[in-house]
Amino acid sequence: DAMVIQNPRYQVTQFGKPVTLSCSQTLNHNVMYWYQQKSSQAPKLLFHYYDKDFNNEADTPDNFQSRRPNTSFCFLDIRSPGLGDAAMYLCATSRDRRERINEQFFGPGTRLTVL
Amino acid sequence: GESVGLHLPTLSVQEGDNSIINCAYSNSASDYFIWYKQESGKGPQFIIDIRSNMDKRQGQRVTVLLNKTVKHLSLQIAATQPGDSAVYFCAEPQVTGGGNKLTFGTGTQLKVEL
Repeated sequence: DAMVIQNPRYQVTQFGKPVTLSCSQTLNHNVMYWYQQKSSQAPKLLFHYYDKDFNNEADTPDNFQSRRPNTSFCFLDIRSPGLGDAAMYLCATSRDRRERINEQFFGPGTRLTVL
Repeated sequence: GESVGLHLPTLSVQEGDNSIINCAYSNSASDYFIWYKQESGKGPQFIIDIRSNMDKRQGQRVTVLLNKTVKHLSLQIAATQPGDSAVYFCAEPQVTGGGNKLTFGTGTQLKVEL
């Protein structure tokens, strides 16, 4: 089945230790998104890729970076995780950015714990 | 601030009853909304959407109502089942300069009591 896969599902890191979260998709969608969802809050968009074009949200901290080496994979890098970065990180895909009604398909998320 | 928001953080219903989850928005130009369901430990899942040229849209056991006059929409779930227990978000997709951004409302936790 076509899907959005996130690895690992649970990630524990130490304060200040760089961490990378992975997302892959078999939907062949050209847009991939990263959302941060803190406990009991709604998901908040960090950034997205349209093909190789990176689009950062204005309020996303510089501590968060992303890479998309090919259509299928997208990575979220947190350079120096702080305690406030503990959250669920959700990857999503959609077919085309210009179609506003295009559904976004979400992965199961990676829960990040910062010690 | 966010353009969408929810009235109640938690809703408890008895199995078999109907559930109504509400959402308010502030931008009168908003013309498209989506309801997402998020089960514990999972990503949000699309339930149903509605455009502003409609007042009502029905799916399987779900109905979304849109009242543009008071900038309010609701999600109605008929014959609520234990599997409906989740957090429900209304969301508004917005085309940005670079893409398609979902702005989520606060979320309502639906608890189904047996």
